[in-house]
Amino acid sequence: NAGVTQTPKFQVLKTGQSMTLQCAQDMNHEYMSWYRQDPGMGLRLIHYSVGAGITDQGEVPNGYNVSRSTTEDFPLRLLSAAPSQTSVYFCASTGGENTEAFFGQGTRLTVV
Amino acid sequence: AQSVTQPDIHITVSEGASLELRCNYSYGATPYLFWYVQSPGQGLQLLLKYFSGDTLVQGIKGFEAEFKRSQSSFNLRKPSVHWSDAAEYFCAVDTYGGSQGNLIFGKGTKLSVKP
Repeated sequence: NAGVTQTPKFQVLKTGQSMTLQCAQDMNHEYMSWYRQDPGMGLRLIHYSVGAGITDQGEVPNGYNVSRSTTEDFPLRLLSAAPSQTSVYFCASTGGENTEAFFGQGTRLTVV
Repeated sequence: AQSVTQPDIHITVSEGASLELRCNYSYGATPYLFWYVQSPGQGLQLLLKYFSGDTLVQGIKGFEAEFKRSQSSFNLRKPSVHWSDAAEYFCAVDTYGGSQGNLIFGKGTKLSVKP
């Protein structure tokens, strides 16, 4: 059972480039979320989804797009990368009430 | 707005000593409460969780936490710290009762362990 899988693990982008961070879960969880982790800031919510076809913004959504076409996948898109988006990104999935979030291993993104 | 405060950015304890990491939250009702641990370069591992019931909860690796409603606190404790406990610890709350899977995190407490 793989849990939550994120790819790639590391990525370097140039300013203005676009890319998609992939996240897949095999636990049939309804809820999926993206967080970014910056030193001294903890994890902050970027976007989340409560089911296929339903997404909403979190605390820091600017510069990121998401979609949820299937239960399993929740990709995060950077349309035009900026140095301020240098961070570690974590995807999580949750099965619903009285369950905890399961996290992927993270993607370390550097924008130069 | 809901928030989570971890007052200690960095704590150093000697191996074998006891540990308490503090967590306070700001929310009108009782949220779901969690402690996660993160080793360098790794993802987050759940240590323990509180949803309801007994306010003293046991977790993995010998950790426990106590929910105190009057203080809006959920402090993490361990009676005897091991060198392998050196990591960063995050307190988190879910104010949607698990219905959205979103968490609000504290900024973390980095634990160093002296031999």
